[in-house]
Amino acid sequence: KAGVTQTPRYLIKTRGQQVTLSCSPISGHRSVSWYQQTPGQGLQFLFEYFSETQRNKGNFPGRFSGRQFSNSRSEMNVSTLELGDSALYLCASSLEASGGSGELFFGEGSRLTVL
Amino acid sequence: GQNIDQPTEMTATEGAIVQINCTYQTSGFNGLFWYQQHAGEAPTFLSYNVLDGLEEKGRFSSFLSRSKGYSYLLLKELQMKDSASYLCAVLYNFNKFYFGSGTKLNVKP
Repeated sequence: KAGVTQTPRYLIKTRGQQVTLSCSPISGHRSVSWYQQTPGQGLQFLFEYFSETQRNKGNFPGRFSGRQFSNSRSEMNVSTLELGDSALYLCASSLEASGGSGELFFGEGSRLTVL
Repeated sequence: GQNIDQPTEMTATEGAIVQINCTYQTSGFNGLFWYQQHAGEAPTFLSYNVLDGLEEKGRFSSFLSRSKGYSYLLLKELQMKDSASYLCAVLYNFNKFYFGSGTKLNVKP
């Protein structure tokens, strides 16, 4: 069974640009959530998608957005990049929405550097 | 949010036992998870506690006290490969996971 796949793995952008990250969940998993990981802050919840609907959103500005497709693949977009957006962006999939209390399966992440 | 607190870093010796503590706000609690993350890799699931008590899984055990808002992860017979960050995560209101900043464990020979 293939794991959670995130692309691209590494990318470098400059301030003001935008970026789109992709996540393919484990086959059969309908929930995809996104996290930002930085050394000082740990994992910060961005949003969760379930059956193409945003179920929850963390405390991030509107520059951070996402969507989920009918095949459960998800994308997140960050517009007008700032230096502070440099981080590892992790995607996690689960069989049910977070209300199912199941474990999360993480991808290896997309490491974004903003110059 | 939700003040998930765990120590930043710990050091222990190969073959020893180490306990990593995690405290959290109790309101809205629905379950506590521990994840292991090796440097440069994805976090992987270790354990899940929703009721009070100890859950044992091989060399790893996790304990929960819901009334105290307290959990610990116990690692026995430490091996060098156990050097990693250990993340405490709490599910609130069947809605969101909140993670602690992680505890970096260094295992020395």
